[in-house]
Amino acid sequence: DTAVSQTPKYLVTQMGNDKSIKCEQNLGHDTMYWYKQDSKKFLKIMFSYNNKELIINETVPNRFSPKSPDKAHLNLHINSLELGDSAVYFCASSPTWPLGEKLFFGSGTQLSVL
Amino acid sequence: SQELEQSPQSLIVQEGKNLTINCTSSKTLYGLYWYKQKYGEGLIFLMMLQKGGEEKSHEKITAKLDEKKQQSSLHITASQPSHAGIYLCGAPGSSNTGKLIFGQGTTLQVKP
Repeated sequence: DTAVSQTPKYLVTQMGNDKSIKCEQNLGHDTMYWYKQDSKKFLKIMFSYNNKELIINETVPNRFSPKSPDKAHLNLHINSLELGDSAVYFCASSPTWPLGEKLFFGSGTQLSVL
Repeated sequence: SQELEQSPQSLIVQEGKNLTINCTSSKTLYGLYWYKQKYGEGLIFLMMLQKGGEEKSHEKITAKLDEKKQQSSLHITASQPSHAGIYLCGAPGSSNTGKLIFGQGTTLQVKP
């Protein structure tokens, strides 16, 4: 069983559309994250939730809205997609907050905005 | 804000050669994580270093943490094609935070 799973793996869409990426972890972890990796492979944190509560909200356009229906799920909804949103989005989880152990990453969602 | 800089940014080595990747922090390190990323895949955890002077090894990969120099190094001995990928170092943003800040990554190619 995949520990941290994201869907879809690939997402190709037009500018202006709204799209969602889903993430689920079956590790029983309390904390989940969204990271964005740009074309230069630079990985940057976007959001973090601990037990469904938002605890990290980096400088991200408010077109990006995370939602955590329960601690095993963290979804990312993006409104009015722009070309610059093209990137690979990684979901991750960790057992506790603050981070004391490693992050477990999903395999990524490659978003292409045309 | 803290920044991590990795060097080199890319590396091509012949199979069997040794190599070292460095990760330097702009601020005090409160631990250092090394991850590996293969194309189209997520990040695979390699090692976590928590104390200055700490050194860990897994198979042919050794990582060290030099807290005074705010630096960590990853050394691969007798590289193999399976070592190819992107290596990223990550560090907690401060002493009590849940977020990892990552370096820009080092792309490693190993030629058979």
